[in-house]
Amino acid sequence: GEEVAQTPKHLVRGEGQKAKLYCAPIKGHSYVFWYQQVLKNEFKFLISFQNENVFDETGMPKERFSAKCLPNSPCSLEIQATKLEDSAVYFCASSQSKGNTEAFFGQGTRLTVV
Amino acid sequence: AQKITQTQPGMFVQEKEAVTLDCTYDTSDPSYGLFWYKQPSSGEMIFLIYQGSYDQQNATEGRYSLNFQKARKSANLVISASQLGDSAMYFCAMRAVTTDSWGKLQFGAGTQVVVTP
Repeated sequence: GEEVAQTPKHLVRGEGQKAKLYCAPIKGHSYVFWYQQVLKNEFKFLISFQNENVFDETGMPKERFSAKCLPNSPCSLEIQATKLEDSAVYFCASSQSKGNTEAFFGQGTRLTVV
Repeated sequence: AQKITQTQPGMFVQEKEAVTLDCTYDTSDPSYGLFWYKQPSSGEMIFLIYQGSYDQQNATEGRYSLNFQKARKSANLVISASQLGDSAMYFCAMRAVTTDSWGKLQFGAGTQVVVTP
């Protein structure tokens, strides 16, 4: 597609429940990045993929967060046993390369943990 | 380590005037890209403009231009002829391509712009 598609737009989970977010990158883009934005300000990098391979996962809280990008499927970010502090907007972005090219963002998924 | 600094938390600008949003960066990577994004109250991230570290000319996209001063490590965004729809949060971001950055974007704290009639 011509845009990064994220679903769902909003997600509400009770504390301890699982949350799964999806991202379809722009067709032809090899790199996918996940970011977490808390309180409309700070962006935190979570993980990146080159095609279906994890490229950089230094930002991932490994105990409860996991992510995949499988061939012919949207990428996914899963949070097991959500906590209140996981409430944020999760953005997916895609690029043709990891270098000096534009990165385009999806609309974001707003996760609210209650 | 990389760092992006946006020193203006917020600013007001009158419609039809130009506004400059400051952004300075710090990196030891010789190759990097600088980005500006707009985030309106609806929350989406809109890509505005991109400048590569080796680009000789300043980037321009319609009413947006990037004042790139490499020696000063600054990448200020200029919005000409402001419109009410320009009211939003603006983020400066950098991506470097070597070793520890691995292509991820580093964001500044953002500048909230309010355009008044």
